Amino acid sequence: DIQMTQSPSSVSASVGDRVTITCRASQGINTWLAWYQQKPGKVPKLLIYAASSLQSGVPSRFSGSGVGTNFTLTISSLQPEDFATYYCQQAKSFPVTFGPGTKVDIK
Amino acid sequence: EVQLVQSGGGSEQPGRSLRLSCSASGFRFGDHAMSWVRQAPGKGPEWVGFIGSKAFGGTTEYAASVRGRFNISRDDSKSIAYLQMNSLKTEDTAVYYCARGRERWLQFSSQLDYWGQGALVTVSS
Repeated sequence: DIQMTQSPSSVSASVGDRVTITCRASQGINTWLAWYQQKPGKVPKLLIYAASSLQSGVPSRFSGSGVGTNFTLTISSLQPEDFATYYCQQAKSFPVTFGPGTKVDIK
Repeated sequence: EVQLVQSGGGSEQPGRSLRLSCSASGFRFGDHAMSWVRQAPGKGPEWVGFIGSKAFGGTTEYAASVRGRFNISRDDSKSIAYLQMNSLKTEDTAVYYCARGRERWLQFSSQLDYWGQGALVTVSS
């Protein structure tokens, strides 16, 4: 199975800050990586697919990069509605696996 | 508008069975793979399984934790996906989501762009 790790596990930030979250895969997954945002009690929302493609309707302050085993999600200017938990997910092979999540909260 | 509306779920005793349904609208259901993902209280998402589109043989894949107990099927004529859960265990307690594979052209499409609202399954004696 491909193991996904994320860092940091949590980050405290202020509105307007630039936030970067890292995701690592235990083996190469090319660009078969998605990023999701989840708010408490809500359904996960797809933000980024294929490592760097912005899902329709997602604000352009979100961006993704990476290939192989190392990936990043960047929020260029944090907005109040961005406080949430972010998960990466590999879609290269079964079983599909998610990272443990990064919680972004208010500083 | 793409919608996935889930039904089923509830409370059941260990060893019993439950079936979840995921009714789709707003897109050509038969063209897309569907996945099931669960989330235990306070935990991150855990992939449960997958069913491909009929164009790719409708193949299924399962997480090791549910293989042999859970079964995923689909009825394209009704635009419904199902998750049949047998021999339930207490560790199956979670909110279960159905979700659509984003790419129609991809056999094992597992980047999930639309999700159902979730169904709580509680397994307890």
